[in-house]
Amino acid sequence: QVQLVQSGAEVKKPGASVKVSCKASGYTFTGYYIHWVRQPPGQGLEWMGWINPNSGGTNYAQNFQGRVTMTRDTSISTAYMELSRLRSDDTAVYYCAREGYGYRGPLDYWGQGTLVTVSS
Amino acid sequence: DIQMTQSPSSLSASIGDRVTITCRASQSISSYLTWYQQKPGKAPKLLIYAVSSLQSGVPSRFSGSGSGTDFILTISSLQPEDFATYYCQQSFSTPRTFGQGTKVDIK
Repeated sequence: QVQLVQSGAEVKKPGASVKVSCKASGYTFTGYYIHWVRQPPGQGLEWMGWINPNSGGTNYAQNFQGRVTMTRDTSISTAYMELSRLRSDDTAVYYCAREGYGYRGPLDYWGQGTLVTVSS
Repeated sequence: DIQMTQSPSSLSASIGDRVTITCRASQSISSYLTWYQQKPGKAPKLLIYAVSSLQSGVPSRFSGSGSGTDFILTISSLQPEDFATYYCQQSFSTPRTFGQGTKVDIK
């Protein structure tokens, strides 16, 4: 069965960086884009970008350009999202999700989420 | 960027009620419209994709309709497990924007 398992909660100071991992299993990792979506406490969903695990190509939301880096390690079927220069308003649950049903498809499987808390 | 606007932002309904949630895109998104359900403390769950295609395992009381810029999610007979927040998302272009969510709670 398809699973995306994310790394554990993080507490970071303002200005630091955080790197969240997303390990895929149950399908061919390189066959499906991985997206990252975040959700601040009590708020809605915000799309951050995607990575093509096959080529390593990425597409980031303008809001995160220059601060986010999405990478992958195909040998261990894992995608990563690194966010730098953290601010208090980056406190959120960060999700990875697989894009299914081909290009421009829905996000059909999601990780369990990783809470990142930014606090001095 | 394409803006996605859901209405209402919240609603109260009773078991067995028919519930409709609207999602409007700021420009045409063809059929690239998805609906998700999210319960507190959980990841979103895919309900409907490509406007009206029901994800495997999702009850048939959920349905989607619309085209172009205006879309509707309908729950034909609300069940206790349907109390949740619902989000629409467009995948026509990046950024893949979400609606702000509609919270469905018990009347």
